[in-house]
Amino acid sequence: DAGITQSPRHKVTETGTPVTLRCHQTENHRYMYWYRQDPGHGLRLIHYSYGVKDTDKGEVSDGYSVSRSKTEDFLLTLESATSSQTSVYFCAISDYDRDQPQHFGDGTRLSIL
Amino acid sequence: EDQVTQSPEALRLQEGESSSLNCSYTVSGLRGLFWYRQDPGKGPEFLFTLYSAGEEKEKERLKATLTKKESFLHITAPKPEDSATYLCAVQEGGAQKLVFGQGTRLTINP
Repeated sequence: DAGITQSPRHKVTETGTPVTLRCHQTENHRYMYWYRQDPGHGLRLIHYSYGVKDTDKGEVSDGYSVSRSKTEDFLLTLESATSSQTSVYFCAISDYDRDQPQHFGDGTRLSIL
Repeated sequence: EDQVTQSPEALRLQEGESSSLNCSYTVSGLRGLFWYRQDPGKGPEFLFTLYSAGEEKEKERLKATLTKKESFLHITAPKPEDSATYLCAVQEGGAQKLVFGQGTRLTINP
C-alpha cells in the first residue's frame, strides 16, 4: 500500500470555524491532490500540488486553500467552513512518470453542522 | 470539457454470473484511462491503466478494454469479495489531473 496518512479521519465542527486537514506521504512523490467525494458527484478535484510551494486549482476550489511546505505534507484548509463542505475528503499522490497512477489515502469524513 | 459517464449506477449479480461495466468518456487527447475499486470507508484502489484503443489488461477475474469512446470492465465468474464500487477516470494529454465518473456499485450475492 502507498504510504499515505490522512488526519483526522473524522471531524465534526460548526459553520464558520476554520478546519485544516492533513495529508502525509512517505513515498517522496512529486504530485499531491485533494479531492472531495459526494453522492451524485463522484470524486472532484479541489487543489493539487506539483512540488513544494507549487499548487494549482482544481474543479471545485472555491472556499478552500492549500499549502505544501515539505514534499511529504499537503494541507487543505477551509477558512470558514460551510454546511456545503460536508463531505469525504481524499488525498492522492503520484509521481511524474505516466505509468504511475494516483494512489489514494483512506479519507477524512468531515461534517459541518 | 472532459466528461466521464459510468453505467449502470448499480448492478446486482449472482455469484458466478459474468457481466460488464461501462465507462464512456469525452476528452481532448487521452493520456490514460484508469479503473479503480473502492470499498466502503476506504479510498479508491488502483486496478488498471489503459492508454490506447484496442488495449486490454487483466487481473484475476477482471478484464479492462478500451475503445476511442469507451472502456469496459468485464468481470468473469464474480465472487462476493468482488462487491465494491468501481470507478473510471480519464487523464487528458499534458495534464496531471483525473476526471472521475460517478462509479458503478457492484453487489455479488452468494
